[in-house]
Order: sequence, then structure tokens, then C-alpha cells
Amino acid sequence: KQEVTQIPAALSVPEGENLVLNCSFTDSAIYNLQWFRQDPGKGLTSLLLIQSSQREQTSGRLNASLDKSSGRSTLYIAASQPGDSATYLCAVLHNFNKFYFGSGTKLNVKP
Amino acid sequence: KAGVTQTPRYLIKTRGQQVTLSCSPISGHRSVSWYQQTPGQGLQFLFEYFSETQRNKGNFPGRFSGRQFSNSRSEMNVSTLELGDSALYLCASSLGGIADTQYFGPGTRLTVL
Repeated sequence: KQEVTQIPAALSVPEGENLVLNCSFTDSAIYNLQWFRQDPGKGLTSLLLIQSSQREQTSGRLNASLDKSSGRSTLYIAASQPGDSATYLCAVLHNFNKFYFGSGTKLNVKP
Repeated sequence: KAGVTQTPRYLIKTRGQQVTLSCSPISGHRSVSWYQQTPGQGLQFLFEYFSETQRNKGNFPGRFSGRQFSNSRSEMNVSTLELGDSALYLCASSLGGIADTQYFGPGTRLTVL
């Protein structure tokens, strides 16, 4: 069974810092991996989607990498801002038929 | 373009009752997926519908069921509610299926007393 782990569970940084969120998965039979953010009491917003054949994806200040063989992905956030404060979740699409989510990293960016 | 909408936003039920939640996808999207989010289990995949057919299913009991209509709107039904069914239920739509970028609705908060 696929298991997705996110470390750390919570992170607090001062504004302007660059930071890295980690996601690991146990089974490399993934079709793709997505990073989402969730604001309190709201649904998820997709940030980046990486296909299993890709190594990284970039969108603005965000960069996500994928190392399928080692079962790891990272989300890099450059020049963090208070508006980046949210919970960040990674999800893998396993065998093209089931999503498995990590438990998330709660990020707080202090002004 | 309007986003994914879910109704109702909040619901309170008692054990043993049944409940139906509704999800309207983004116009043109043919895939709707449902998820359960709880503090203890996190976010879990329930099932996916595409063009009125259930294509993929997570590991939930048969009390959880769904359907999709010809206009891609979807409903999820939970029968014989248990206290553990209290959760935020999220739906997401996508253009071609669960391999595409998922666009989530705001969720329905279900409380079972």
C-alpha cells in the first residue's frame, strides 16, 4: 500500500526566507504527483503537477522536484511572504487509479 | 469561469440517518472526484466519476456511494451515518480525469451527532 509522508508537520519562518517542504512516498509506481495548498476552512488549490517522467516544475516563486526512484519530492518556495501561510499537501496518483495524500505541512510566514 | 461549487456547505445529522451532498464541476469538466478529510485520517480518496461512470474507487465501505448526471454534476450519498463520518467532504473536477489537475470546491462540513 502506498504511504505518503510529509516532513516537517509545521514550519514557522520569517518573511523573505527561502524554504523547502518535503514529501516522500513508499511505492514508486506513481503516475504523477501534485502539490496543493489549503487555507483554513477551505478546499485545496493545485500549485504544481509533476508527471512521473518529469524531474521538476516551476510556477512563479514555486519549484517542485521529483525523484521517483528514491520516492521523494520537494517544494521550494522562494522569498516567502505572509500570504504563503497555509497548509501544503502533496498527493501521488498511484497506478493511475487512486490518490494518496500526505498529512501536510502547516507553514506560517511571520511578517 | 465559475469554480467548483458544493452544497450544502454545512450539515448536521444524527447517527443512522443518510445524507446526500452535491457537487457542480467547472463547466466543461467531465470528471468529478470525492474526498473525505478528517483530523485523524487526513485526506482520503473516495471515488471518481467520469461521464456518468464510476472509474476509480478508494477503500471505503459500501455505505458511501455516488452518481454523476449527464451535465457532470455529481452527488455523494452516505447511508446509516456513523459518528466517524463527521468530516469535511471535498469534491474536485478536472477536464480529463484524475490524472489531470484537480480543481477543488470549498467542501461540505458534515457533523454526525
